[in-house]
Amino acid sequence: GNSVTQMEGPVTLSEEAFLTINCTYTATGYPSLFWYVQYPGEGLQLLLKATKADDKGSNKGFEATYRKETTSFHLEKGSVQVSDSAVYFCALRKNSGGGADGLTFGKGTHLIIQP
Amino acid sequence: EAQVTQNPRYLITVTGKKLTVTCSQNMNHEYMSWYRQDPGLGLRQIYYSMNVEVTDKGDVPEGYKVSRKEKRNFPLILESPSPNQTSLYFCASSFIIQAEQYFGPGTRLTVT
Repeated sequence: GNSVTQMEGPVTLSEEAFLTINCTYTATGYPSLFWYVQYPGEGLQLLLKATKADDKGSNKGFEATYRKETTSFHLEKGSVQVSDSAVYFCALRKNSGGGADGLTFGKGTHLIIQP
Repeated sequence: EAQVTQNPRYLITVTGKKLTVTCSQNMNHEYMSWYRQDPGLGLRQIYYSMNVEVTDKGDVPEGYKVSRKEKRNFPLILESPSPNQTSLYFCASSFIIQAEQYFGPGTRLTVT
């Protein structure tokens, strides 16, 4: 079946540091890949996505590249801010055409940015 | 404003007392889904619905029921809640299953 593995954290960084949150996946075929962000007390929001190999998703300074050869979708940001403190979820969705699968999520990575 | 709403946002109840968590979306989405979020486990899908009167089990359906009588509403029903259903619940919807999912604000349920 499908699965997503990501570092759980908490990950604590200083403001303006470089961020990488690793995400690897297991799935048959060619899934779509997503990063969702959950700010304290809120629901999940889509941060970025990629639907095929070598696609790069980007939003709000965050980037992730769909690497089929390493089955990875690592999230990166060059200079984090205190406002980036949140829980980040990597997720995949099978693109099986007629399939009824929803999203498969990783366990989430709690990111804490200190001033 | 396009949104997914859930009610209640917080609920404390006792074992065995039936409860319903409502979910409503105003975007005319066909696909709706319920997830539960638990520490160290991430989000797991409970049930989903592809359209009106079409529902199916997700990964953790035991102890839950759903219905989809109208396109906009997708209530989650716990007929006899137990403490292991204490969790944070999220409803989500999308135009179709392949489209971006929009999440509600969450319902924190405690069963004592």
